[in-house]
Amino acid sequence: EIVMTQSPATLSVSPGERATLSCRASQSVSSNLAWYQQKPGQAPRLLIYGASTRATGIPARFSGSGSGTEFTLTISSLQSEDFAVYYCQQYNNWPLFGQGTRLEIK
Amino acid sequence: QVQLVQSGAEVKKPGASVKVSCKASGYTFTGYYMHWVRQAPGQGLEWMGWINPNSGGTNYAQKFQGRVTMTRDTSISTAYMELSRLRSDDTAVYYCARDSVPIAVAGPLIIFDYWGQGTLVTVSS
Repeated sequence: EIVMTQSPATLSVSPGERATLSCRASQSVSSNLAWYQQKPGQAPRLLIYGASTRATGIPARFSGSGSGTEFTLTISSLQSEDFAVYYCQQYNNWPLFGQGTRLEIK
Repeated sequence: QVQLVQSGAEVKKPGASVKVSCKASGYTFTGYYMHWVRQAPGQGLEWMGWINPNSGGTNYAQKFQGRVTMTRDTSISTAYMELSRLRSDDTAVYYCARDSVPIAVAGPLIIFDYWGQGTLVTVSS
């Protein structure tokens, strides 16, 4: 069974700085990896799919990279609305989410 | 615009069943798979399964097989998720979420591009 591990659990970054979030799969998921953003009291929002393709309407400051077992979500210049919890999800077989990374204001 | 509107919060006793609805608008309901995902308080996301609104075919996560039933009513563009034999650890927000790829193209791809607002189900004696 695949295990998805996100790191760090919490990331403290100042507005305007770059944030780098990691997601690791216990076995290869090819490029079948998506990223979601979730704010308190809201449903998740699709950011990235296919490891690196931005979903419709997602700002260019969000970028994804990686393949196989190692993936990264980068937010190039943090805006106030970007502070949230981020989840990765593999869909190579039965879908599975990581446990999330909380991005907080430093 | 695509909208998924779910039914309101529920409080149930252990052993009971709950049925959550998800009304779709802004697209062809029978054209996309619909998934159900849940989130326990303060926890991560857990996929429960999908329904093909066109055929009524379903596929459930192994963890929920035997307890979950997903159905749809195409006349009112609404999907339903019923969970039986509720336990306290079923307390969660339940979301419906649309698959990103049209049924006619492929799928399900199991990428969730639109989500309902969530329905809190509380299981307590």
